[in-house]
Amino acid sequence: SQKIEQNSEALNIQEGKTATLTCNYTNYSPAYLQWYRQDPGRGPVFLLLIRENEKEKRKERLKVTFDTTLKQSLFHITASQPADSATYLCALDRGSTLGRLYFGRGTQLTVWP
Amino acid sequence: EPEVTQTPSHQVTQMGQEVILRCVPISNHLYFYWYRQILGQKVEFLVSFYNNEISEKSEIFDDQFSVERPDGSNFTLKIRSTKLEDSAMYFCASSEGFGRDDGYTFGSGTRLTVV
Repeated sequence: SQKIEQNSEALNIQEGKTATLTCNYTNYSPAYLQWYRQDPGRGPVFLLLIRENEKEKRKERLKVTFDTTLKQSLFHITASQPADSATYLCALDRGSTLGRLYFGRGTQLTVWP
Repeated sequence: EPEVTQTPSHQVTQMGQEVILRCVPISNHLYFYWYRQILGQKVEFLVSFYNNEISEKSEIFDDQFSVERPDGSNFTLKIRSTKLEDSAMYFCASSEGFGRDDGYTFGSGTRLTVV
């Protein structure tokens, strides 16, 4: 079965620094990898998607990289702000099935002033 | 910004009772999904739905579960005879295409508590 590990359960950084979150997977290689933000008691909110043939994707202060050799994706938030504090989920789409995302447990990010 | 709307936000039910969770997906979306998240656990796929039929379902989605699109706007998840282990947040999601450009739009969830 698909196994997804996100680097740590919690990450605390100071405002203005870059947060780097890791997503490692085993077994099947995803065709697409997505990152979501989840606030307490809320549903996941889509942030970025990267395809298996893409190395890097950017959107404003967010950057995602995808290394299919290492079976790893890195998610970066630059110039982090307290409002970025949330749980960040990585989700794999194997591309062969419709709508079935395999989620990691998430990394809880806290940005302190 | 368009939203996926779920009702109720919180439902408490007795074990063995039937529950129906309701969702209004984004109006121009064609693909619909249900996911669940047990407290402290990861988000898990239940079922995907397209063109009025189930496209895929997970091992969790057994005969106790069913989905329906009763009209042009609602998408429902029914649990026929609830068990204690069905207690979770249930999220509805929708996408315009396969979600491989803009991901999925999730609702805020229904917290189901089975007592």
